[in-house]
Amino acid sequence: ETGVTQSPTHLIKTRGQQVTLRCSSQSGHNTVSWYQQALGQGPQFIFQYYREEENGRGNFPPRFSGLQFPNYSSELNVNALELDDSALYLCASSLIPGLAGAYEQYFGPGTRLTVT
Amino acid sequence: AQSVAQPEDQVNVAEGNPLTVKCTYSVSGNPYLFWYVQYPNRGLQFLLKYITGDNLVKGSYGFEAEFNKSQTSFHLKKPSALVSDSALYFCAVRDSGAYTRGGSQGNLIFGKGTKLSVKP
Repeated sequence: ETGVTQSPTHLIKTRGQQVTLRCSSQSGHNTVSWYQQALGQGPQFIFQYYREEENGRGNFPPRFSGLQFPNYSSELNVNALELDDSALYLCASSLIPGLAGAYEQYFGPGTRLTVT
Repeated sequence: AQSVAQPEDQVNVAEGNPLTVKCTYSVSGNPYLFWYVQYPNRGLQFLLKYITGDNLVKGSYGFEAEFNKSQTSFHLKKPSALVSDSALYFCAVRDSGAYTRGGSQGNLIFGKGTKLSVKP
């Protein structure tokens, strides 16, 4: 069974640039959620994707967008980067809630984004 | 609104002693509760969950947690701490309400984390 993988591991961007982060879900999982973890904080929910559609969104502006592909992998795109976007971005995969055992999310190692 | 509180920023324990990491929650309905552990420069690793049933939940690496509905708590425990347990621990909650597409039930609400330090 393959776990959740994310790329790249680290990324440095300048303010105003755009960034794309990638995630491959755990084998058999059809749902991907993205979280932002600022330094010293718990993860904050950005959005979730299921069947290639956004399936719930947290309190993040529209410049945070995403995609899910037919193989369930996902991208997180952030436009017009701001200094406060510097954080660890975590991807988590799961089965859609409602199925037996579909409650916990399994996290990847994260992408550390630094905006200067 | 759903929320999770971890009242302790740091917990210090001697190796071999029991440990407790505290968590309280607030949800509108019945909660689904989770504990995750994060090692430095790593993602979150699932430890255990409470969905329904027995209030004492056993998880990975000898950890367990006790669900207390009247106190809205879900404290993480381990009878004998190891130095290798030193890490950042997060409690999370999800509403058990009926799942609807586009709703918020799919996401986890996390506490701010508790740093556990186990000394030899």
